[in-house]
Amino acid sequence: NAGVMQNPRHLVRRRGQEARLRCSPMKGHSHVYWYRQLPEEGLKFMVYLQKENIIDESGMPKERFSAEFPKEGPSILRIQQVVRGDSAAYFCASSPVQVQETQYFGPGTRLLVL
Amino acid sequence: GEDVEQSLFLSVREGDSSVINCTYTDSSSTYLYWYKQEPGAGLQLLTYIFSNMDMKQDQRLTVLLNKKDKHLSLRIADTQTGDSAIYFCAESSDNYGLNFVFGPGTRLSVLP
Repeated sequence: NAGVMQNPRHLVRRRGQEARLRCSPMKGHSHVYWYRQLPEEGLKFMVYLQKENIIDESGMPKERFSAEFPKEGPSILRIQQVVRGDSAAYFCASSPVQVQETQYFGPGTRLLVL
Repeated sequence: GEDVEQSLFLSVREGDSSVINCTYTDSSSTYLYWYKQEPGAGLQLLTYIFSNMDMKQDQRLTVLLNKKDKHLSLRIADTQTGDSAIYFCAESSDNYGLNFVFGPGTRLSVLP
């Protein structure tokens, strides 16, 4: 049973480009969470999604960031017109139900904006 | 906003006990967690404790919670080289794990 998959593991973008981060939850999991880890800081919650629904996006920046979890396929975190401050590790987690202790984390995507 | 603090580095010798400390500010925290992050891997939930508990023990791990001082600690007995990792403390004030707050992580180095 594969764990949570994220790709790419590393992504380099120039300022102004778009970044797309993908997260495939564990089999049977319908809840996906995205977190951002800035250098020397803890993880910050960004958004919580279920299939085709955004449940809580209170941690998402209001502009340039969007997330989706379609009926088929992985969850996508999209960052438009990236800036250097977007450089961070982005972690996805999934769970079968909406409780904290059942969240499983992916290995993360390291985004570097030049 | 709410804050969780940890010291950034800890070194111990193999076989000794490690104690990783964490303080938090949210007085309404319901759940407190310890996660382990090994190089190149995702976070792994080690253990968690409800705010109405003082202590939880799980094999080599002991979690102590001082709710009055908002202080959480993780003790690893008989520390091994495989315990070298970054340990994150996190707290949540709701039952669903949303909007929970992580500390910056403590990098534990185990010396032979």
